This record gives sequence, C-alpha cells and structure tokens, in this order.
Amino acid sequence: DTGVSQDPRHKITKRGQNVTFRCDPISEHNRLYWYRQTLGQGPEFLTYFQNEAQLEKSRLLSDRFSAERPKGSFSTLEIQRTEQGDSAMYLCASSLQGGLQETQYFGPGTRLLVL
Amino acid sequence: AQSVTQLGSHVSVSEGALVLLRCNYSSSVPPYLFWYVQYPNQGLQLLLKYTSAATLVKGINGFEAEFKKSETSFHLTKPSAHMSDAAEYFCASGGGADGLTFGKGTHLIIQP
Repeated sequence: DTGVSQDPRHKITKRGQNVTFRCDPISEHNRLYWYRQTLGQGPEFLTYFQNEAQLEKSRLLSDRFSAERPKGSFSTLEIQRTEQGDSAMYLCASSLQGGLQETQYFGPGTRLLVL
Repeated sequence: AQSVTQLGSHVSVSEGALVLLRCNYSSSVPPYLFWYVQYPNQGLQLLLKYTSAATLVKGINGFEAEFKKSETSFHLTKPSAHMSDAAEYFCASGGGADGLTFGKGTHLIIQP
C-alpha cells in the first residue's frame, strides 16, 4: 500500500492555459474523489467515481472543469482556460466501497498557481 | 444538506495542556463524522471517525472525540498537547457519492 499519489505536486501556469492533474489511488480502492481547497478553507467536494463511472459531477465548478477515470484506476482532472480564481490545492482521495462510514484516504495534493 | 461548523479558526494551547477543538454538525439523518489533520503542504490524514458503534471514539496520536447527539457536537480532545500536534484540523461529515463536507478548519498552535 503506497498510498494515494498525485502528480504534479506543483503547477504554475498562465491565465488561459489548460492544465491536467493526475491521481493514482490506492490499488484496491474502487472509489475516487476530487476536492478543491482554497486558502483558509476546508476541502470542497468536486466529483466522484465508482470504478470508471463518474456518478457525481454536478459539483464541478464550471464547464471548464472535467474529470476522467478511463479504466477505473488512475484519474485525471482537467481545467481548461484557467483563471486566476482557479489557484488552489486540488486533492484526490480514494476509498473502498463499504457504506457511508468508509474512510477516504487523501493524496498530498497538487497546488495550482494561475498567473 | 449537511453542514459542519468549527468554532475557532485558531486555537493556542501550551505544551502539556488539554486540547479541545470544537465541531458541530447539521444533518437530517444519522451523521458519519470524521476528524482529519493536515500538516503544511501535505494532504489530509484521518485521525478518527464516528460510525455509531460507540459515542466515544479513540483515534491516532492520543486524540479522541465524543459524539453528543443532544448537542449535535463531535468535539476533538487530547489530554496533553505536544509540539508535533501543531497543524490544521478539519471536521467532516458525509461521504459516499456526496463526498465529504468539511468545516473551515482550526489551526492548532502549541506554545512551548
């Protein structure tokens, strides 16, 4: 069990550019979540996958945000036409399906800075 | 909709003193409650979770929390603070397809 990993850890981009982040969950976990954390706030839920199916995406912040999990393993989060307000920490978490009391394990996050 | 309120954005205690971090929840159904800790530039680590099996929940690093339905609270405590406890602490509720709903966090400062 190597934990949840995220790549890159840091990303600096210019406004208007597209960025893509990758998350590798714990290998046997079938559920994967993306959150955004802005300075001084708790993480904010964005989207959720069970295996390769994206079962919740209404909380994605705008249509510039999209996520995929093509083979039910790793996931990517893409932000198109980045804006300065997108600057934040993007966290990925994974869990093994087991009811609402299941534990989500978080990765170290990708910190995005949009100039 | 679920919500979580953490009272006090910053809490300062002396090393060796009692730590008390407050969390109140709002839920129309039995809640699933969690405490996570976040060290600088790191992800979140689970301290403990309430699963309705017991109202007093013990977690890692000497932390525990008590679920009080009458007060809709799930406060986090530790009898004796250590310098290594300095971090950001988040209370959260929910899970599954709705994701977790987090409070705004409490920054714990340990005075030597």
